Amino acid sequence: DADVTQTPRNRITKTGKRIMLECSQTKGHDRMYWYRQDPGLGLRLIYYSFDVKDINKGEISDGYSVSRQAQAKFSLSLESAIPNQTALYFCATSTGTDEAFFGQGTRLTVV
Amino acid sequence: EDQVTQSPEALRLQEGESSSLNCSYTVSGLRGLFWYRQDPGKGPEFLFTLYSAGEEKEKERLKATLTKKESFLHITAPKPEDSATYLCAVRAHNTDKLIFGTGTRLQVFP
Repeated sequence: DADVTQTPRNRITKTGKRIMLECSQTKGHDRMYWYRQDPGLGLRLIYYSFDVKDINKGEISDGYSVSRQAQAKFSLSLESAIPNQTALYFCATSTGTDEAFFGQGTRLTVV
Repeated sequence: EDQVTQSPEALRLQEGESSSLNCSYTVSGLRGLFWYRQDPGKGPEFLFTLYSAGEEKEKERLKATLTKKESFLHITAPKPEDSATYLCAVRAHNTDKLIFGTGTRLQVFP
């Protein structure tokens, strides 16, 4: 089993719909992150969490919200999806001092 | 502002043709520079961490080096299976966040 698991792997949704992307990890790390990847723009940080009670905005948090349900679970929500949120989304975990470990990604298409 | 710039954006090599990828960075106190490999549609896969200028790390045909302003990923005698996008990221002293460059897309032809 993968250390960082994202569900769903692919999702097509309509403009205005609410959607949740889920991430769970078995690494035992405190730090969890949500990134968005677009062609030519690289990986951009949406939100990150140091523990269940500590949530922080990244560089592109507008239009997104997150929930840290447990040390191992970190969900990303789009309250009202719009087409320019079409992208590849990655969850990652880290100890905060060493490398980050990434999930396999969720390809989200908003039509 | 912390920033990472990678060059070139794309690189095409013949199998066996060695080359280097560049990662230039500006950061308020480097706490680590990371190299990742990413295959299409997959998550980034960790390759190396470098912490201080002069440090070098090797793995198979890849060698990463670090100076105070940039890092290089040297690829010696590449094979087609080395084709991927290579990402560079930095972590600054005052944060746990990783700041990524936009990557170099490498294609190695037989």
